[in-house]
Amino acid sequence: ETGVTQSPTHLIKTRGQQVTLRCSSQSGHNTVSWYQQALGQGPQFIFQYYREEENGRGNFPPRFSGLQFPNYSSELNVNALELDDSALYLCASSLERWRSYEQYFGPGTRLTVT
Amino acid sequence: DQQVKQNSPSLSVQEGRISILNCDYTNSMFDYFLWYKKYPAEGPTFLISISSIKDKNEDGRFTVFLNKSAKHLSLHIVPSQPGDSAVYFCAAISNSGYALNFGKGTSLLVTP
Repeated sequence: ETGVTQSPTHLIKTRGQQVTLRCSSQSGHNTVSWYQQALGQGPQFIFQYYREEENGRGNFPPRFSGLQFPNYSSELNVNALELDDSALYLCASSLERWRSYEQYFGPGTRLTVT
Repeated sequence: DQQVKQNSPSLSVQEGRISILNCDYTNSMFDYFLWYKKYPAEGPTFLISISSIKDKNEDGRFTVFLNKSAKHLSLHIVPSQPGDSAVYFCAAISNSGYALNFGKGTSLLVTP
């Protein structure tokens, strides 16, 4: 059984640029959630996708957007990058949206905005 | 608004002794509480969980206690091992929810 994978591992971008992060969910999981973990903080929920539809969103501006594909993999897009967007971005998958209490995390993508 | 709080940023324990990590929450709608363990350069790994209908759950060396009236939970690790050194996150979610609400984490160091 393949776990959650994320790419790239690390990324450096300049303020104002756009970035796309990718996530492959664990085999058989149709729900993907994205979290942002700033230095010294716990992960903060960005949004969740279930069967290609956004199922819920945290307190993040619209320049954070996402997609989920028919194979349940997902992308996180961030436009107009700001310095405060520097963080570890974590993807988590769960078997079904109503089993969000069981979320399995990938290793994360470390984004640095300069 | 931080709904899950871990007030101890760090904890140091000797190998073989008990480690107790604490967590408080404010939202009475939470139904599940989870502990995740995180090593540097890795994602959080699920450790143990407890439903709000229980007050204790054990899994090997790990036990989680829930005190609903105090809105407090704790993770006990007995005996502590050097490999337990990591950051531990407490998280909570409601039955119908989709977002895990995390605390800021407690960095545990187990010394030989």
